[in-house]
Amino acid sequence: NAGVTQTPKFQVLKTGQSMTLQCAQDMNHNSMYWYRQDPGMGLRLIYYSASEGTTDKGEVPNGYNVSRLNKREFSLRLESAAPSQTSVYFCASSDRGLYGYTFGSGTRLTVV
Amino acid sequence: GENVEQHPSTLSVQEGDSAVIKCTYSDSASNYFPWYKQELGKRPQLIIDIRSNVGEKKDQRIAVTLNKTAKHFSLHITETQPEDSAVYFCAASKVKTSYDKVIFGPGTSLSVIP
Repeated sequence: NAGVTQTPKFQVLKTGQSMTLQCAQDMNHNSMYWYRQDPGMGLRLIYYSASEGTTDKGEVPNGYNVSRLNKREFSLRLESAAPSQTSVYFCASSDRGLYGYTFGSGTRLTVV
Repeated sequence: GENVEQHPSTLSVQEGDSAVIKCTYSDSASNYFPWYKQELGKRPQLIIDIRSNVGEKKDQRIAVTLNKTAKHFSLHITETQPEDSAVYFCAASKVKTSYDKVIFGPGTSLSVIP
């Protein structure tokens, strides 16, 4: 039982490049989330998926897109990376909030 | 939308003392309040949560209290140990049948001095 698995763990991009962050959970959770974490800013919600087939914007969605591929997988795409997107990205999942979130190990992204 | 404030931003205590972190929320419809601990370089992990139908919950050395009228909730850690050093995040959400978007506070960096 791996929980929430994120790939890659580290990535360096040049401004304007694109990439996709992958996330998969094996806990049969309905809801999945993408957060970014910046120093002093806490965890800010980028996008979430309440259930398979649905996605919604969070607090800071600009510059990102998401895909809920199936119940297990929720990916985050940066179409044209900018230095302001340098951050640590966390994927999380939950069973409708009954037991809180389970987070992945994070992706440290640097855009130069 | 929901806004969660958290104080203090940093906290240093001597080993064995108690630590208290306070949070306020803006949406009176919020009904679920989890707390997460994040050690340096690690992922956040749920340590305790409370729902709006109870005023206090304890789990060994940690406890959380909720005042719905004032819209604030607090984390209490007693007999602190060096391994309690971490960043603690409070959060608030409205758990519904359809989704449970959680809004986090900015975090409190707790240092326990041996």
